[in-house]
Amino acid sequence: EPEVTQTPSHQVTQMGQEVILRCVPISNHLYFYWYRQILGQKVEFLVSFYNNEISEKSEIFDDQFSVERPDGSNFTLKIRSTKLEDSAMYFCASSLQGYEQYFGPGTRLTVT
Amino acid sequence: TQLLEQSPQFLSIQEGENLTVYCNSSSVFSSLQWYRQEPGEGPVLLVTVVTGGEVKKLKRLTFQFGDARKDSSLHITAAQPGDTGLYLCAGAAGNTGKLIFGQGTTLQVKP
Repeated sequence: EPEVTQTPSHQVTQMGQEVILRCVPISNHLYFYWYRQILGQKVEFLVSFYNNEISEKSEIFDDQFSVERPDGSNFTLKIRSTKLEDSAMYFCASSLQGYEQYFGPGTRLTVT
Repeated sequence: TQLLEQSPQFLSIQEGENLTVYCNSSSVFSSLQWYRQEPGEGPVLLVTVVTGGEVKKLKRLTFQFGDARKDSSLHITAAQPGDTGLYLCAGAAGNTGKLIFGQGTTLQVKP
Protein backbone atom coordinates (compact mmCIF):
# COMPACT_ATOMS: atom_id res chain seq x y z
CA GLU A 1 0.00 0.00 0.00
CA PRO A 2 1.46 3.40 -0.96
CA GLU A 3 2.58 5.54 1.94
CA VAL A 4 4.14 8.88 2.70
CA THR A 5 7.74 8.65 3.87
CA GLN A 6 9.80 11.22 5.77
CA THR A 7 13.49 11.62 6.51
CA PRO A 8 15.18 11.94 8.87
CA SER A 9 13.11 10.45 11.66
CA HIS A 10 14.96 12.58 14.20
CA GLN A 11 17.00 15.74 13.65
CA VAL A 12 18.95 17.51 16.35
CA THR A 13 20.26 20.97 15.51
CA GLN A 14 21.62 24.03 17.23
CA MET A 15 19.68 27.27 17.44
CA GLY A 16 20.31 29.44 14.39
CA GLN A 17 21.16 26.53 12.09
CA GLU A 18 19.27 25.66 8.91
CA VAL A 19 17.42 22.36 8.63
CA ILE A 20 15.73 20.66 5.71
CA LEU A 21 13.04 18.09 6.37
CA ARG A 22 12.29 15.74 3.52
CA CYS A 23 9.12 13.98 2.44
CA VAL A 24 8.18 11.64 -0.39
CA PRO A 25 4.41 11.92 -0.90
CA ILE A 26 2.23 9.20 -2.43
CA SER A 27 3.15 9.17 -6.10
CA ASN A 28 -0.12 10.18 -7.80
CA HIS A 29 -1.13 12.74 -5.19
CA LEU A 30 -1.46 16.38 -6.15
CA TYR A 31 -1.83 18.25 -2.84
CA PHE A 32 0.93 18.44 -0.28
CA TYR A 33 0.98 19.73 3.28
CA TRP A 34 3.21 20.29 6.27
CA TYR A 35 1.91 20.22 9.83
CA ARG A 36 3.64 20.35 13.15
CA GLN A 37 2.82 19.06 16.60
CA ILE A 38 4.52 20.48 19.66
CA LEU A 39 4.70 17.90 22.44
CA GLY A 40 1.33 17.60 24.18
CA GLN A 41 -0.42 20.02 21.83
CA LYS A 42 -2.71 19.85 18.80
CA VAL A 43 -1.53 19.12 15.29
CA GLU A 44 -1.20 22.54 13.59
CA PHE A 45 -1.34 23.37 9.89
CA LEU A 46 1.74 25.07 8.44
CA VAL A 47 1.40 25.18 4.67
CA SER A 48 -0.36 23.67 1.68
CA PHE A 49 1.19 23.26 -1.77
CA TYR A 50 -0.52 22.60 -5.07
CA ASN A 51 0.51 22.99 -8.70
CA ASN A 52 4.05 23.91 -7.68
CA GLU A 53 3.11 26.82 -5.49
CA ILE A 54 1.97 27.58 -1.96
CA SER A 55 -1.82 27.65 -1.84
CA GLU A 56 -2.18 28.61 1.81
CA LYS A 57 0.08 29.22 4.79
CA SER A 58 -0.54 29.75 8.47
CA GLU A 59 0.72 32.56 10.70
CA ILE A 60 3.40 30.17 11.96
CA PHE A 61 4.84 29.87 8.44
CA ASP A 62 6.88 33.06 8.45
CA ASP A 63 9.88 34.10 6.35
CA GLN A 64 12.07 31.55 8.13
CA PHE A 65 10.13 28.72 6.49
CA SER A 66 10.07 27.65 2.87
CA VAL A 67 8.84 24.66 0.91
CA GLU A 68 9.96 23.18 -2.34
CA ARG A 69 9.15 20.29 -4.64
CA PRO A 70 12.51 20.14 -6.39
CA ASP A 71 12.20 17.04 -8.55
CA GLY A 72 8.58 15.96 -8.84
CA SER A 73 8.83 13.37 -6.08
CA ASN A 74 10.35 15.00 -3.00
CA PHE A 75 8.67 17.72 -0.96
CA THR A 76 10.88 19.62 1.46
CA LEU A 77 10.41 22.01 4.36
CA LYS A 78 13.34 24.31 5.12
CA ILE A 79 13.73 26.29 8.32
CA ARG A 80 16.46 28.88 7.74
CA SER A 81 17.42 29.82 11.28
CA THR A 82 15.96 27.50 13.86
CA LYS A 83 14.67 28.70 17.21
CA LEU A 84 14.12 26.71 20.39
CA GLU A 85 10.34 26.98 19.85
CA ASP A 86 10.66 25.20 16.49
CA SER A 87 11.20 21.95 18.40
CA ALA A 88 8.28 19.72 17.43
CA MET A 89 7.17 16.75 15.35
CA TYR A 90 6.80 17.80 11.72
CA PHE A 91 4.39 15.82 9.58
CA CYS A 92 4.11 15.78 5.82
CA ALA A 93 0.77 14.82 4.29
CA SER A 94 -0.44 14.30 0.76
CA SER A 95 -3.83 14.07 -0.89
CA LEU A 96 -5.21 13.18 -4.28
CA GLN A 97 -8.25 15.42 -4.14
CA GLY A 98 -7.39 17.97 -1.46
CA TYR A 99 -9.29 16.67 1.53
CA GLU A 100 -8.50 13.04 2.39
CA GLN A 101 -4.95 13.40 3.64
CA TYR A 102 -2.41 10.70 4.35
CA PHE A 103 0.31 11.49 6.83
CA GLY A 104 3.92 10.43 7.04
CA PRO A 105 5.53 9.08 10.23
CA GLY A 106 6.99 12.48 11.09
CA THR A 107 10.37 14.02 11.79
CA ARG A 108 11.16 14.89 15.38
CA LEU A 109 13.10 18.17 15.34
CA THR A 110 15.01 19.07 18.49
CA VAL A 111 16.60 22.53 18.62
CA THR A 112 19.21 23.00 21.35
CA THR B 1 -10.64 31.29 13.82
CA GLN B 2 -12.06 27.83 13.24
CA LEU B 3 -11.87 25.47 16.21
CA LEU B 4 -12.77 21.86 16.76
CA GLU B 5 -13.51 20.77 20.30
CA GLN B 6 -13.30 17.09 21.13
CA SER B 7 -14.87 15.47 24.14
CA PRO B 8 -14.09 13.74 26.30
CA GLN B 9 -10.32 14.32 26.36
CA PHE B 10 -9.72 11.10 28.29
CA LEU B 11 -11.78 7.95 28.48
CA SER B 12 -11.00 4.79 30.41
CA ILE B 13 -13.43 1.90 30.01
CA GLN B 14 -13.63 -1.88 30.40
CA GLU B 15 -13.42 -4.26 27.48
CA GLY B 16 -16.85 -4.83 25.97
CA GLU B 17 -18.28 -1.41 26.79
CA ASN B 18 -19.55 1.03 24.20
CA LEU B 19 -18.35 4.62 23.88
CA THR B 20 -18.89 7.78 21.88
CA VAL B 21 -16.41 10.56 21.14
CA TYR B 22 -17.69 13.94 20.02
CA CYS B 23 -16.18 16.58 17.80
CA ASN B 24 -17.92 19.97 17.74
CA SER B 25 -17.44 23.32 16.06
CA SER B 26 -19.34 26.51 15.35
CA SER B 27 -17.90 26.44 11.82
CA VAL B 28 -18.96 24.46 8.77
CA PHE B 29 -16.40 22.08 7.29
CA SER B 30 -16.36 20.73 3.76
CA SER B 31 -15.34 17.33 5.09
CA LEU B 32 -14.22 15.78 8.33
CA GLN B 33 -11.65 13.12 8.93
CA TRP B 34 -11.03 10.86 11.88
CA TYR B 35 -7.48 9.71 12.59
CA ARG B 36 -5.82 7.46 15.10
CA GLN B 37 -2.34 8.38 16.33
CA GLU B 38 0.11 6.19 18.23
CA PRO B 39 2.82 7.85 20.37
CA GLY B 40 5.68 9.18 18.24
CA GLU B 41 3.94 8.33 14.95
CA GLY B 42 1.89 10.14 12.33
CA PRO B 43 -1.92 10.21 12.31
CA VAL B 44 -3.44 7.26 10.45
CA LEU B 45 -6.61 8.00 8.50
CA LEU B 46 -9.65 6.00 9.64
CA VAL B 47 -12.47 7.60 7.67
CA THR B 48 -13.57 10.70 5.77
CA VAL B 49 -17.14 11.99 5.90
CA VAL B 50 -18.25 14.57 3.38
CA THR B 51 -22.05 14.82 3.24
CA GLY B 52 -24.17 16.25 6.07
CA GLY B 53 -25.89 13.39 7.91
CA GLU B 54 -23.51 10.81 6.47
CA VAL B 55 -22.88 7.66 8.48
CA LYS B 56 -19.94 5.35 7.82
CA LYS B 57 -19.10 2.07 9.51
CA LEU B 58 -15.70 0.49 9.87
CA LYS B 59 -16.18 -2.84 11.67
CA ARG B 60 -17.11 -1.84 15.25
CA LEU B 61 -16.57 1.87 14.60
CA THR B 62 -19.44 4.10 13.43
CA PHE B 63 -18.76 7.65 12.27
CA GLN B 64 -21.42 10.30 11.77
CA PHE B 65 -21.24 13.78 10.24
CA GLY B 66 -23.80 16.26 11.54
CA ASP B 67 -26.52 17.51 9.22
CA ALA B 68 -25.06 21.02 9.29
CA ARG B 69 -21.49 19.70 8.82
CA LYS B 70 -20.35 21.35 12.05
CA ASP B 71 -20.00 18.27 14.23
CA SER B 72 -19.17 14.60 14.13
CA SER B 73 -19.14 11.57 16.38
CA LEU B 74 -17.24 8.32 16.63
CA HIS B 75 -19.02 5.43 18.30
CA ILE B 76 -17.18 2.23 19.21
CA THR B 77 -19.22 -0.87 20.00
CA ALA B 78 -17.82 -3.54 22.32
CA ALA B 79 -14.45 -1.86 22.76
CA GLN B 80 -11.36 -4.06 22.83
CA PRO B 81 -7.89 -3.40 24.31
CA GLY B 82 -6.60 -3.02 20.73
CA ASP B 83 -8.77 0.09 20.40
CA THR B 84 -6.58 1.86 22.96
CA GLY B 85 -5.02 4.99 21.48
CA LEU B 86 -5.43 8.66 20.60
CA TYR B 87 -8.32 9.53 18.31
CA LEU B 88 -8.26 12.82 16.41
CA CYS B 89 -10.92 14.57 14.42
CA ALA B 90 -9.87 17.05 11.74
CA GLY B 91 -12.06 19.33 9.65
CA ALA B 92 -11.14 20.46 6.14
CA ALA B 93 -11.37 24.24 5.88
CA GLY B 94 -11.30 26.42 2.81
CA ASN B 95 -10.39 25.52 -0.73
CA THR B 96 -6.91 24.22 0.00
CA GLY B 97 -8.06 21.36 2.20
CA LYS B 98 -6.04 22.46 5.20
CA LEU B 99 -7.06 20.48 8.26
CA ILE B 100 -8.06 21.95 11.59
CA PHE B 101 -7.44 19.35 14.29
CA GLY B 102 -9.21 18.75 17.55
CA GLN B 103 -7.11 18.21 20.66
CA GLY B 104 -7.75 14.47 20.62
CA THR B 105 -9.39 11.86 22.81
CA THR B 106 -7.16 9.39 24.63
CA LEU B 107 -8.96 6.08 24.95
CA GLN B 108 -7.86 3.32 27.29
CA VAL B 109 -9.66 -0.02 27.12
CA LYS B 110 -8.85 -2.28 30.05
CA PRO B 111 -9.06 -6.08 29.65
